[in-house]
Amino acid sequence: GIQVEQSPPDLILQEGANSTLRCNFSDSVNNLQWFHQNPWGQLINLFYIPSGTKQNGRLSATTVATERYSLLYISSSQTTDSGVYFCAGDTNAGKSTFGDGTTLTVKP
Amino acid sequence: DGGITQSPKYLFRKEGQNVTLSCEQNLNHDAMYWYRQDPGQGLRLIYYSQIVNDFQKGDIAEGYSVSREKKESFPLTVTSAQKNPTAFYLCASSIQGGYNEQFFGPGTRLTVL
Repeated sequence: GIQVEQSPPDLILQEGANSTLRCNFSDSVNNLQWFHQNPWGQLINLFYIPSGTKQNGRLSATTVATERYSLLYISSSQTTDSGVYFCAGDTNAGKSTFGDGTTLTVKP
Repeated sequence: DGGITQSPKYLFRKEGQNVTLSCEQNLNHDAMYWYRQDPGQGLRLIYYSQIVNDFQKGDIAEGYSVSREKKESFPLTVTSAQKNPTAFYLCASSIQGGYNEQFFGPGTRLTVL
């Protein structure tokens, strides 16, 4: 199966700072998604982004499918942005692979 | 409201017992998935189903079983053959397997005593 590498594994920011999270895939993927896992374990959908760029408020994402990576940008970070961010994709219909996540801590 | 429900939220079982986790969706999605998450790690795919009465093994299917008799339901049984079943289990669904966005339920925390 494919390998998914997320970087950095941990990130500590001061409130108001910007950040970039990266997701690299070992092979071409379909259905690339970004999630935020809240403290209760619920996975919140951030972006469904097989290619191109999308924006939603302070968050945006870019996927360069030909180079097998995706980036998640968080601007003007807030303490509520803290948590674990995951990317996931699949090469065969239905068989998704997740990265190990980036743990973001935003300090007031 | 449309969504995915999982029950129970917390589950405790004794070693050697089988236990079944429930996952129901009313989104009219064709595909459903089960994942396992261990502390500090990402999600790993256990089983997935793209259509009723059909399912495939994921990366860590040993010690688990599933059924897909109805479109809206995809129960997961953790059998006594699963060596280390204590984990957080997440169910997801998508409109059509392989080509659409996955949505997740709130999860079940299983603890083996």
